[in-house]
Amino acid sequence: TQLLEQSPQFLSIQEGENLTVYCNSSSVFSSLQWYRQEPGEGPVLLVTVVTGGEVKKLKRLTFQFGDARKDSSLHITAAQPGDTGLYLCAGASGYALNFGKGTSLLVTP
Amino acid sequence: DTAVSQTPKYLVTQMGNDKSIKCEQNLGHDTMYWYKQDSKKFLKIMFSYNNKELIINETVPNRFSPKSPDKAHLNLHINSLELGDSAVYFCASSPLPPEGLAVYEQYFGPGTRLTVT
Repeated sequence: TQLLEQSPQFLSIQEGENLTVYCNSSSVFSSLQWYRQEPGEGPVLLVTVVTGGEVKKLKRLTFQFGDARKDSSLHITAAQPGDTGLYLCAGASGYALNFGKGTSLLVTP
Repeated sequence: DTAVSQTPKYLVTQMGNDKSIKCEQNLGHDTMYWYKQDSKKFLKIMFSYNNKELIINETVPNRFSPKSPDKAHLNLHINSLELGDSAVYFCASSPLPPEGLAVYEQYFGPGTRLTVT
């Protein structure tokens, strides 16, 4: 199993602040995905990145895949309470996805 | 229309019992998965089926047996339940990946919270 380390583990911020979540590994992945999970629900896919150096934007969320395809970041601009949730990165290796342990984000009004 | 559905949502049972969790997807995907999420929210793959054939079987006790009657269904049967089996179990499905990739985006069900007492 190839380990993915996410940081920070917990993050509590106020509405309107910016934040960045990191996902790091010593392994190379063929693709990497970010998911958001809300309490009592399953993870929901946000984005898939495939090419090293790739940057994708989803409204106020910006995702970047490292040049060496070993790490990724998620940047949220002007966070809103609706962004609250558990953010999970997952790296594709062989036929399986290896998930990080997640970053729990709380955005207060 | 629910894309990936699981039943039951909650399952409380005693040690030693046998139980099953059912999963169905209406997305037309060929690949389905079972994941276990522990109390610390760590999500770990258990099994993967592609078109009814087992392709991933992680180090899971053989008390866990997946069954795929057709490519839209993947059920999980657990024998002789133990306290450590308490967790949330997620079913997921995935479309055919783009060329050059072996695994792709996962669509998760709502989860089954299993509590073994």
